[in-house]
Amino acid sequence: GQQVMQIPQYQHVQEGEDFTTYCNSSTTLSNIQWYKQRPGGHPVFLIQLVKSGEVKKQKRLTFQFGEAKKNSSLHITATQTTDVGTYFCLGSGAGSYQLTFGKGTKLSVIP
Amino acid sequence: GAGVSQSPSNKVTEKGKDVELRCDPISGHTALYWYRQSLGQGLEFLIYFQGNSAPDKSGLPSDRFSAERTGGSVSTLTIQRTQQEDSAVYLCASRERGNYNEQFFGPGTRLTVL
Repeated sequence: GQQVMQIPQYQHVQEGEDFTTYCNSSTTLSNIQWYKQRPGGHPVFLIQLVKSGEVKKQKRLTFQFGEAKKNSSLHITATQTTDVGTYFCLGSGAGSYQLTFGKGTKLSVIP
Repeated sequence: GAGVSQSPSNKVTEKGKDVELRCDPISGHTALYWYRQSLGQGLEFLIYFQGNSAPDKSGLPSDRFSAERTGGSVSTLTIQRTQQEDSAVYLCASRERGNYNEQFFGPGTRLTVL
């Protein structure tokens, strides 16, 4: 079945440093979504990528979808304490309804 | 309108008892998911409902777990003969039909099995 690997599992950064999390799928995806879960909260949708090689930006966040539509990354520039939380990717299998979450990357920002 | 709601928000039960967790999805959302999240862990898929189609139960960890969705709206997740390892936050999410739509998550039910 479809598997989505997400790394790293944890990341501790000083405030102002950059942060990146990566997702790799075992199969080609039709689209990938990214979610953020604040401590004690529930996942909230951030963005969706659909096209091969697509890049989207939201302020300090940059999302990329690989050319082969099997990998994706989320990059945060100059982290702030408000970025703290766990970031999950959700991959949708091409030609199927199967959805698979990555295990998540827990980001800690040291002020 | 209102988002996804779940009840109860917290449930403490004794080992061996049955529990029912409820999810009210966003009106009009045909797809509904149940996930389990153990402390500090990722989201574990449990079950997926889409309209009137047969649910995808492939993520249910054992036959003690079951779920139903009545009238294509409210869903109930039932855990029979609870075990301590069932302790987790149970999250429900709904979305409009189609994989290109975002999932909206409820606040979750925190289940503690003593």
